[in-house]
Amino acid sequence: DVKVTQSSRYLVKRTGEKVFLECVQDMDHENMFWYRQDPGLGLRLIYFSYDVKMKEKGDIPEGYSVSREKKERFSLILESASTNQTSMYLCASSLVGMYSNQPQHFGDGTRLSIL
Amino acid sequence: DQQVKQNSPSLSVQEGRISILNCDYTNSMFDYFLWYKKYPAEGPTFLISISSIKDKNEDGRFTVFLNKSAKHLSLHIVPSQPGDSAVYFCAAHTGTASKLTFGTGTRLQVTL
Repeated sequence: DVKVTQSSRYLVKRTGEKVFLECVQDMDHENMFWYRQDPGLGLRLIYFSYDVKMKEKGDIPEGYSVSREKKERFSLILESASTNQTSMYLCASSLVGMYSNQPQHFGDGTRLSIL
Repeated sequence: DQQVKQNSPSLSVQEGRISILNCDYTNSMFDYFLWYKKYPAEGPTFLISISSIKDKNEDGRFTVFLNKSAKHLSLHIVPSQPGDSAVYFCAAHTGTASKLTFGTGTRLQVTL
């Protein structure tokens, strides 16, 4: 079974802090993703990566950056946290498929509160 | 611009009856559709998918129907069970990238 592990389930930080969210997958997947989930808005893609040191902006990248130094690890960075970044953050990974019929596998999420 | 829409935020169904969850999309370039199920405090888990070249895919109690002309898909759960109570997300994929576009979710409650 694919295991996607997010380093923290709950995190509380202060406005202006630099925040790191870590994600590790154990199935040698090429693709990794960061989403945020907010009530009434569903899952929105922040950034994704299809290879080590490669990254692509998703739909809402503003205020975030990412790092992928190793294939199994994908980090989301909030450069200067703001209250509107309070949310549930979800990491996912998937294999590369011609038509991407390879489903994404998700971690259990990090609930981040910015005070 | 919501390209994938789930217009019903919630649905309540009696145990043993059919649950029908709906999803509409606007982008005709989507080539694959997936349904995910999410319990509270857990990440979404993949449920079932369908290619745009098919109109039906079945897996046990779960069937997904795709109507390309109407840009509509639906998930049928028969019979519904209390353990099916969760939030269901519809997602769509285009072939040019590995990213998915998700709907806003429908909360299904299966009552006894």
